[in-house]
Amino acid sequence: KAGVTQTPRYLIKTRGQQVTLSCSPISGHRSVSWYQQTPGQGLQFLFEYFSETQRNKGNFPGRFSGRQFSNSRSEMNVSTLELGDSALYLCASSLSSANTEAFFGQGTRLTVV
Amino acid sequence: AQSVTQLGSHVSVSEGALVLLRCNYSSSVPPYLFWYVQYPNQGLQLLLKYTTGATLVKGINGFEAEFKKSETSFHLTKPSAHMSDAAEYFCAVRNNAGNMLTFGGGTRLMVKP
Repeated sequence: KAGVTQTPRYLIKTRGQQVTLSCSPISGHRSVSWYQQTPGQGLQFLFEYFSETQRNKGNFPGRFSGRQFSNSRSEMNVSTLELGDSALYLCASSLSSANTEAFFGQGTRLTVV
Repeated sequence: AQSVTQLGSHVSVSEGALVLLRCNYSSSVPPYLFWYVQYPNQGLQLLLKYTTGATLVKGINGFEAEFKKSETSFHLTKPSAHMSDAAEYFCAVRNNAGNMLTFGGGTRLMVKP
């Protein structure tokens, strides 16, 4: 069974640009969550999508947005990039029943210059 | 609100010695608790989880953790450290209303030969 796939693995963007990251969950998983990991702030929850609906949202500005498609693939978008957005962005997929765990992808390393 | 505290951002042990990584949580409802491991430039891999039932949970690679409600703790242990255990370890608590994970700050485990 294929794991969680995130593309691209590495990105370099310039301040002010926008970026879109993609996540393909494990087959059959309907919940996709996104996390930002930085040395200073650690792992922080961005948002969760389930059946194309945002179910939970973390404390991030509106520049961070996401969506989920009918095949459960998800994208997150960051507009007007700032230097502080440089981070490892991790996607996790879950079956979304009571006792399941989240399976993480390898992440997308975003560098903003 | 939930929170997770990992005591000790860095822990160093000798190969063959006991590994003890500490995690305390706060949660207003019975928690789902997880330990993840992260190797450099990789995503998170689940080591073990506690949902309900037996409070001593066994995971992969010889790790185990004990849920102690009275102490609000979920410490991770391994009887004998291997060099391959060197990595960063994260304790997390899950929001029962969805799949949002709240992570501790992480503990970097170093194993000396």
